[in-house]
Amino acid sequence: GENVEQHPSTLSVQEGDSAVIKCTYSDSASNYFPWYKQELGKRPQLIIDIRSNVGEKKDQRIAVTLNKTAKHFSLHITETQPEDSAVYFCAASDSGGGADGLTFGKGTHLIIQP
Amino acid sequence: NAGVTQTPKFRILKIGQSMTLQCTQDMNHNYMYWYRQDPGMGLKLIYYSVGAGITDKGEVPNGYNVSRSTTEDFPLRLELAAPSQTSVYFCASRSRNPRRYQLYNEQFFGPGTRLTVL
Repeated sequence: GENVEQHPSTLSVQEGDSAVIKCTYSDSASNYFPWYKQELGKRPQLIIDIRSNVGEKKDQRIAVTLNKTAKHFSLHITETQPEDSAVYFCAASDSGGGADGLTFGKGTHLIIQP
Repeated sequence: NAGVTQTPKFRILKIGQSMTLQCTQDMNHNYMYWYRQDPGMGLKLIYYSVGAGITDKGEVPNGYNVSRSTTEDFPLRLELAAPSQTSVYFCASRSRNPRRYQLYNEQFFGPGTRLTVL
C-alpha cells in the first residue's frame, strides 16, 4: 500500500516569513495529493490539492508543487500570519475518481512566532 | 446543510465494553470513510463504503465493524473495547461524481469523536 512521509514534524517561523513542508510518497499510481489544516481540537480542512497532471498550483499565499519523478510534493506558505499556526497534513490517493480513502503523513506542527 | 455530523463528541469506555459511533451526512455523498487519529499522528483509514450495502476494509480494520444501510448513515461499531482503541475518530464523505474538470472530489470531515478506553 501507499506510504507517505512528511517533514519536518515541527516548523517554527517568524511572522511574515515563508514556510515549506515536504512530503514523499511510495506508490507511483498515486495521482491526487491534498493538504489539510487542522487546528487544535478541530476537524481537518482541505486547504489546497493537486492532481498528478499538474506540477504546481497556487491559491493566494498557499502553493503546492509536485514532482512525480521523485515522488514528492511540497506545501509553500508565504507571508505567514498568526492564524497559519496549526498542524498541516499531506495525503495521497491512487484512486483518481474511485472510492479509496486517503493515506496521510504524520503531520507538521507549524508555529508562527510574532 | 449540516454536512457530516458525528455523535457522541466524547466517550469513556471500560475495557471490554462495546459502543457505536454514529456518522450522518446530508450531502447525498456516495462515499463515506472512517479514520482514527492517534495523538501526534496522521489519520489512518479504518473502513470505507462506496454506497449503501457495500463496505470495505482500510488500513486498520481490526476491532471494528461497519454497516451502510442507507446513503446517509455509516455507523462504526467497537466490540470489546481495548486501550489501543483510545483515539479521535473522524468520519468523512465525498461525492462519487467529480466536479467539472476534476478527477477527484474533496473529502469532508465530521467534527470527530474523542474516545478513551480505560
